[in-house]
Formats: sequence, C-alpha cells, structure tokens
Amino acid sequence: KNQVEQSPQSLIILEGKNCTLQCNYTVSPFSNLRWYKQDTGRGPVSLTIMTFSENTKSNGRYTATLDADTKQSSLHITASQLSDSASYICVVSASTGGSYIPTFGRGTSLIVHP
Amino acid sequence: DVKVTQSSRYLVKRTGEKVFLECVQDMDHENMFWYRQDPGLGLRLIYFSYDVKMKEKGDIPEGYSVSREKKERFSLILESASTNQTSMYLCASSSSIDRDRGELYEQYFGPGTRLTVT
Repeated sequence: KNQVEQSPQSLIILEGKNCTLQCNYTVSPFSNLRWYKQDTGRGPVSLTIMTFSENTKSNGRYTATLDADTKQSSLHITASQLSDSASYICVVSASTGGSYIPTFGRGTSLIVHP
Repeated sequence: DVKVTQSSRYLVKRTGEKVFLECVQDMDHENMFWYRQDPGLGLRLIYFSYDVKMKEKGDIPEGYSVSREKKERFSLILESASTNQTSMYLCASSSSIDRDRGELYEQYFGPGTRLTVT
C-alpha cells in the first residue's frame, strides 16, 4: 500500500530560525512529489514539485530536496517568518494508470513564534 | 489564476439532515475531488471524478455520494448527516491525467467548508 510519512508531527521555532521537515514515502512507481502549504482555515497551496530526475527545487525561502533512492524528501525553510506558521503537506503521486491518485502525508504543523 | 470555490465556509446541520456541498472550478479541469480533513489524519479522499457523470470511490466513500452533471461543478452529498461527519471538507480540481504516464497534474484546492453536525 502506498504510504507517505511526515515528521515531525508538529514543530515550534523562533522567528528568523531555519527548520527542516521530513517526508518518507513508499509510493511506487514514483512519479512526482509535491509540498503544499496549508494556512489555518484555507485549502492547501502548492509550494514545489519534483520529478524523479530532480533532487532540489527552491521557491523563495523554501527549498525541497528529493532522494529517490532512499525515498525521502525534505523541506527546508530559511529565516522563518510568522507567516510561515501553517501545516506543510507532502504529496506523492505514482506513475502508472492503475494508481494515479496522489497519496497525502498527514502534514507537519509549524508554529513560528516572535 | 485557477479558482476553486465552495458554496459555504461554515455549515451547521442536524443529525439526519441531507447536506449538499457544492464546488465550482473555472479552469475547465477534467478532474475534481472531494476530501475530508481531520486533525491527525490528514486529507482523505472521499470521491473523485475524471469526467462529467463519471465518479469513482476514494478511500472513505461510506455515507457520501457525489454528482457531476456539469464539468465545472462537483457536488458532495451527505444523505443523512451524522455527528462523525463533522469535519473540514476540501474540494480540488486538476487538469487531464496523462494516462500513459499516469501523472496527475497539480491539484488546486478550494477554501474548504467546515461542517458541524449536531
């Protein structure tokens, strides 16, 4: 069964600090991996997408990495801001027609304190 | 900009009522999805549709039904609402699936409907 595991479940950091969120997956055969940001009371919004051949992708202060061999991804947030407080969701899609529905992780809840 | 709208942000219904949640997208996307999101469980797929009048069950379809009469609109129906259906409901849409590669393009989410069943 395809699974996506995220860690930590929640994280509290001080404004200005960096942090790294982890995502491990067993989705196979792998097609792509997305990180979404979900603000409280809102729908998720895509931050980055990576395919098999990509091992890093940046979007401003957000940098995602992918190791397809170990089936791990990380999302690194640099110089955190209060507006980074949100849930971050890792989503992995398979590459064959039989299983084209993306598999969602449960998310990491990030709180940035002033 | 892709826009996915949901009919209500907040909804309160009584046990046993029939509930309709509406979702509309304006980007001519073929695929539409309904998820529910609960603390600690993440997003769980209820139903999805890849074409008008087509629907497929997701992971947790029990107690729900859907309707897709027009391409832009996907409705979620709770036939007889129960308290365990209190949740955040999220609708999403995406462009065509590349069936050869099975790759699903980016999903765009609506703002969500927080449903409380009392």
